[in-house]
Amino acid sequence: KNQVEQSPQSLIILEGKNCTLQCNYTVSPFSNLRWYKQDTGRGPVSLTIMTFSENTKSNGRYTATLDADTKQSSLHITASQLSDSASYICVVRISGAGSYQLTFGKGTKLSVIP
Amino acid sequence: EAGVTQSPTHLIKTRGQQATLRCSPISGHTSVYWYQQALGLGLQFLLWYDEGEERNRGNFPPRFSGRQFPNYSSELNVNALELEDSALYLCASSFGTGGYEQYFGPGTRLTVT
Repeated sequence: KNQVEQSPQSLIILEGKNCTLQCNYTVSPFSNLRWYKQDTGRGPVSLTIMTFSENTKSNGRYTATLDADTKQSSLHITASQLSDSASYICVVRISGAGSYQLTFGKGTKLSVIP
Repeated sequence: EAGVTQSPTHLIKTRGQQATLRCSPISGHTSVYWYQQALGLGLQFLLWYDEGEERNRGNFPPRFSGRQFPNYSSELNVNALELEDSALYLCASSFGTGGYEQYFGPGTRLTVT
């Protein structure tokens, strides 16, 4: 069964600190993996996309890693800001399927406090 | 460029009633997807429309239905509302069926009392 598991479920960090969110997946065949940021009550916004051949990708203070062998990804946030408080969702696309074939994790809820 | 828009922002209905949610995709996008995000759960795929046709539906009962109009906007209808239908309903759009990125709207918060 195609699944995406994220950890931790929630995380509280002090402003300015770094944190790392984890994503493990069993989706096969794998096409790509995206990390989304979802503010409360809003739609998800894509942060990064990684294909099979990529193992690191950065977007400002966000750095995603991918290990396709172990089927693990991480999202590292550097020098956190209050505006980083949101849910971060890992989404994996199945290869060869139509656009709808996405498997979503339940997300990690990050709270950045002053 | 305008993003995906959804209306209404909030909707409060009574159990047994019907709800209609609307979505306008990004200009040029032909595919529209509907997702349900219940509290504490991940996004669950509901429906996918492309070029006016339903391409696929998720594991939801038939009282969840919809359609896509010639201008590619879409409507999600939920009949015989149940309390557990309370959720954030997200619409996304993409260029088509080739695995393009899906862009999400802000969602409609449906509350069933």
